[in-house]
Amino acid sequence: EIVLTQSPGTLSLSPGERATLSCRASQSVSSRSLAWYQQKPGQAPRLLIYGVSTRATGIPDRFSGSGSGTDFTLTISRLEPEDFAVYFCQRYGSSPLTFGQGTKLEIK
Amino acid sequence: EVQLVESGGGLVQPGGSMRLSCAASGFTFSNYWMHWVRQVPGKGLIWVSRIKTDGSSTDYADSVKGRFTISRDNPKNTLFLQVTSPRAEDTAVYYCARGGTNSHSTGLDSWGQGTLVTVSS
Repeated sequence: EIVLTQSPGTLSLSPGERATLSCRASQSVSSRSLAWYQQKPGQAPRLLIYGVSTRATGIPDRFSGSGSGTDFTLTISRLEPEDFAVYFCQRYGSSPLTFGQGTKLEIK
Repeated sequence: EVQLVESGGGLVQPGGSMRLSCAASGFTFSNYWMHWVRQVPGKGLIWVSRIKTDGSSTDYADSVKGRFTISRDNPKNTLFLQVTSPRAEDTAVYYCARGGTNSHSTGLDSWGQGTLVTVSS
C-alpha cells in the first residue's frame, strides 16, 4: 500500500497570498494517478486536480498541481476567502486507493 | 447535472448488517467505476471499495475485506454497499463517488452528500 504524507498539517495564510501544499508518497506513483480534493465543513470533498496537474471541470486556474514520482505539490496562486478549507491528496488507479491525512488551510 | 444520493445509514448493532444505497442520475451510470469512501467526522478520508462498470471486478480496503460487499444495479442506476459484522470503528459518514470510465482515468469527480453509519449497541 502506498502511504501519502501531507505537509504541513495546518497552513495559516492571508487572502491574496500564495499557498503551497505538499504530498509525499512512500513509493513512486505510476501513471500520474494523483489527485487533489478540497473539503469544506459539512460538505463532501470536491475534485480539484487529477493526473497530477489537470484541473477538474470548473476549477479556477489559480489552482495548479505539479510533481512526479513521490513528491507532489498543490499550489494556490492567490488565496480567495473561499479557498480556506481542508485539502487531501489521493493516489488512484491500482488498489488500494489511498488518501493523505489532509492539510488544513486556515486564515491567518 | 450529476447527482449521487446515498441512503440507508443509521444505527446498527455490532455484528448486525445494513445496506447502503446510492441513487445516481444525470450521467450514464453503466459507463463509470463507482466507489465508496468513508470519513469519521473531523477526520480524514478512507477509501472503502470500488466496482467496475459492469460489476465484474471489485476491490476492497483490507479493513473491510470479507465483511463489506459492493454491488451495482445498472438498469436501476444504483450502487450498493452491504455492511455485515460491523464494528465500532466502522462508524463514519459513507460517501458514494463516481470514478472514471477506467480505473486509472481520473480521480473521484462527483460525490454524494454522505450517509452516517453509527455502530453501537
